Amino acid sequence: DAKTTQPNSMESNEEEPVHLPCNHSTISGTDYIHWYRQLPSQGPEYVIHGLTSNVNNRMASLAIAEDRKSSTLILHRATLRDAAVYYCILRDLIQGAQKLVFGQGTRLTINP
Amino acid sequence: EPEVTQTPSHQVTQMGQEVILRCVPISNHLYFYWYRQILGQKVEFLVSFYNNEISEKSEIFDDQFSVERPDGSNFTLKIRSTKLEDSAMYFCASSEQQIHEQYFGPGTRLTVT
Repeated sequence: DAKTTQPNSMESNEEEPVHLPCNHSTISGTDYIHWYRQLPSQGPEYVIHGLTSNVNNRMASLAIAEDRKSSTLILHRATLRDAAVYYCILRDLIQGAQKLVFGQGTRLTINP
Repeated sequence: EPEVTQTPSHQVTQMGQEVILRCVPISNHLYFYWYRQILGQKVEFLVSFYNNEISEKSEIFDDQFSVERPDGSNFTLKIRSTKLEDSAMYFCASSEQQIHEQYFGPGTRLTVT
């Protein structure tokens, strides 16, 4: 599985946008970019995924660089409930990858 | 909204004892997984299961571990002879198809003394 690099931690304020970066310079053409998060004392939770185009859902937006070597998860208006560890994961879905390979992720702190 | 459930939430056992961790995946899902997370460390993949057989397993998933889907709803992880280093949170997950997102349960905290 191709590797991703994320900052260890980030901090933001409630009701402000948050941009969580992820570098994946060795991404292959068939790797999808997935984001999961883990709230304190809970299991991981799917957030969003994309291949080439930017994606939006009710939880977040995913902005993917044109060369696909980096991506940014955007929380448009952070709440205290968004405090979690965010994981950027590459999955080669064309080859039918099943397992998720978690890194250390970014620990996001939200200040009231 | 459908969710993955796990029981028990916390299991304490003595070294050398057998434990069975139970999971009820989302009902129309076909792929099932176990992961573990040692305190303060990364979430690690253990095993994936489809069509009543293991489709992939990690190096952690040695002969002491086994998985089973004994009926149409439960998915279990058995550790035959627990070691101190098996103490961790164990998460069950399921997905509708192997390319789809995985839904995780709340986890079972296993403490081996």
